[in-house]
Amino acid sequence: AQSVTQLDSHVSVSEGTPVLLRCNYSSSYSPSLFWYVQHPNKGLQLLLKYTSAATLVKGINGFEAEFKKSETSFHLTKPPAHMSDAAEYFCVVSGSGTGNQFYFGTGTSLTVIP
Amino acid sequence: DAGITQSPRYKITETGRQVTLMCHQTWSHSYMFWYRQDLGHGLRLIYYSAAADITDKGEVPDGYVVSRSKTENFPLTLESATRSQTSVYFCASSEGGTYYEQYFGPGTRLTVT
Repeated sequence: AQSVTQLDSHVSVSEGTPVLLRCNYSSSYSPSLFWYVQHPNKGLQLLLKYTSAATLVKGINGFEAEFKKSETSFHLTKPPAHMSDAAEYFCVVSGSGTGNQFYFGTGTSLTVIP
Repeated sequence: DAGITQSPRYKITETGRQVTLMCHQTWSHSYMFWYRQDLGHGLRLIYYSAAADITDKGEVPDGYVVSRSKTENFPLTLESATRSQTSVYFCASSEGGTYYEQYFGPGTRLTVT
């Protein structure tokens, strides 16, 4: 079975400080992992993905995530937060045995304080 | 580059009515998906399609019907709408299945009164 747990439903940071959004996954198979961002009243945009290549994945807009198999984690980071980063972030797992399905976490709402 | 579009963007309907949400993509992606987004649940898969005339159920298929006669279109029909189907619906497409990223449309906000 595949599942994703986003450990924080809300995160607040000050502009210019680092962002950490936490994601743990459960997978019986070698997973693919994704982070998507959703700005208010918009669709979802892919930030980055992991598909068993390098464990440190770089995405768009300065976001990074590290795949840690021993911890079953795929946390998202960004060194300095900008006001434009305020949005909802979703961690997603997919992989063999999921029947071609994506499994979404429940989301983390990021607030950036000026 | 139109990408993936959904129509209508907003819809209000009454309980018991049939409503169809449209999804169109211009990339010729083989896979298409329908999700619903509800507070506290993230996105949940309703149905997906691996190719024209091939569809399969997702996590929450009850009360929905899909068809895919053409690669570029993937309509979702609520045969008899219920209040519990009030939600935001997202269509997505991808080049392949499991390991491929999905590209999402802007969503349709459906309210069932």
